[in-house]
Amino acid sequence: DIQMTQSPSSLSASVGDRVTITCRASQSISSYLNWYQQKPGKAPKLLIYAASRLQSGVPSRFSGSGSGTDFTLTISSLQPEDFTTYYCQQSYSSPMYTFGQGTKLEI
Amino acid sequence: EVQLVESGGGLVKPGGSLRLSCVASGFTFSGYTMNWVRQAPGQALEWVSSIRGRTTDIYYADSVKGRFTISRDNAKNSLFLQMNSLRAEDTAVYYCARLHYDSSGYYFYDSWGQGTLVTV
Repeated sequence: DIQMTQSPSSLSASVGDRVTITCRASQSISSYLNWYQQKPGKAPKLLIYAASRLQSGVPSRFSGSGSGTDFTLTISSLQPEDFTTYYCQQSYSSPMYTFGQGTKLEI
Repeated sequence: EVQLVESGGGLVKPGGSLRLSCVASGFTFSGYTMNWVRQAPGQALEWVSSIRGRTTDIYYADSVKGRFTISRDNAKNSLFLQMNSLRAEDTAVYYCARLHYDSSGYYFYDSWGQGTLVTV
């Protein structure tokens, strides 16, 4: 099984900050990496797929990069609604598309 | 608009059973692989099971294999998860999710239900 490790587990930042969350895969997954945002009590929402492709409707302050085993999610200028939890997911090993353990972004 | 609506969660004793349902609308249900993903309280997301659109291809996480059964009724745009021999560690919110892909073959869960809570 492919293991996904996110860092940090939690992150404190302020409105307007630029933040980066990292995700590392236990083996190469090319660009088969997705990022989701999950607000409390809600279902996850797809932000980025294929490591860097922005899902329709997602603000351009979100961006993703990386390939192989190391990936990043960057939020260029934090907005109040961005303070929540983010998950990476590999979509290389079908059908077991494993998730990272999550990163909680706090004010 | 794509919609997925789960139901069937509840409180059950260890060893008991529950059947979850997910009704889909707004897309051609039979054309998509559907999935169950769960999230234990305060924990990360965990893939549980998948079923392809028009074939009998079915997959399970090791943690539920032999206890859970996924199925679908394409005529009724419905996805199911029969959960037997439930354990305390199965306590979670269960989401149904649609697997989509782009023209380059990258897969992702683009639509999710609101989730249904199972407490064992």
